[in-house]
Amino acid sequence: AQSVTQLGSHVSVSEGALVLLRCNYSSSVPPYLFWYVQYPNQGLQLLLKYTTGATLVKGINGFEAEFKKSETSFHLTKPSAHMSDAAEYFCAVTDPTDSWGKFQFGAGTQVVVTP
Amino acid sequence: NAGVTQTPKFQVLKTGQSMTLQCAQDMNHEYMSWYRQDPGMGLRLIHYSVGAGITDQGEVPNGYNVSRSTTEDFPLRLLSAAPSQTSVYFCASSLAGAPEDTQYFGPGTRLTVL
Repeated sequence: AQSVTQLGSHVSVSEGALVLLRCNYSSSVPPYLFWYVQYPNQGLQLLLKYTTGATLVKGINGFEAEFKKSETSFHLTKPSAHMSDAAEYFCAVTDPTDSWGKFQFGAGTQVVVTP
Repeated sequence: NAGVTQTPKFQVLKTGQSMTLQCAQDMNHEYMSWYRQDPGMGLRLIHYSVGAGITDQGEVPNGYNVSRSTTEDFPLRLLSAAPSQTSVYFCASSLAGAPEDTQYFGPGTRLTVL
């Protein structure tokens, strides 16, 4: 069984400051990892994902994440926050050994950006 | 190309009423799924389908039915609504449903059961 833990349900950052959102997983095999963003009253949009290959993954809107197998982590970062980054962020995993990609989501982290 | 569409956007039901949430995609995706989103719990999988005529249960299937008669449509039925089903419901689709596939989400249906 897999599980995903996002540390911090709410994060407040100043405009221009580093954004760091933490995601840890528990899984018998290294999972595929995803970060999604949800803007108010909208559906989820893929930011980035890691399946195989380079462990540092770059996504849209200046975000990146690094898969660290030894730490079972996939933290999301952005060097400089923008007001438009205010949203809820979800980490999700799938099991590579499954026939189908059934997502297991974390509880989400709400990001507030202050001027 | 509209992507994944959901109707209605908002719905209020009384306990015991039934209704169908509609989901359609125009990307010729084989895999479709329904999630519910509750505060502090992320999204949880209700049902999924790997192609027309094939459906299976997810993590929280009780109280919900699905069917998939066409590739494009995947409706979710609430047979007898309960207050515990108050939630935001998202439909998603992916090309083949493989674990590495990106899933594309609709805008959601906000359901309140009184």
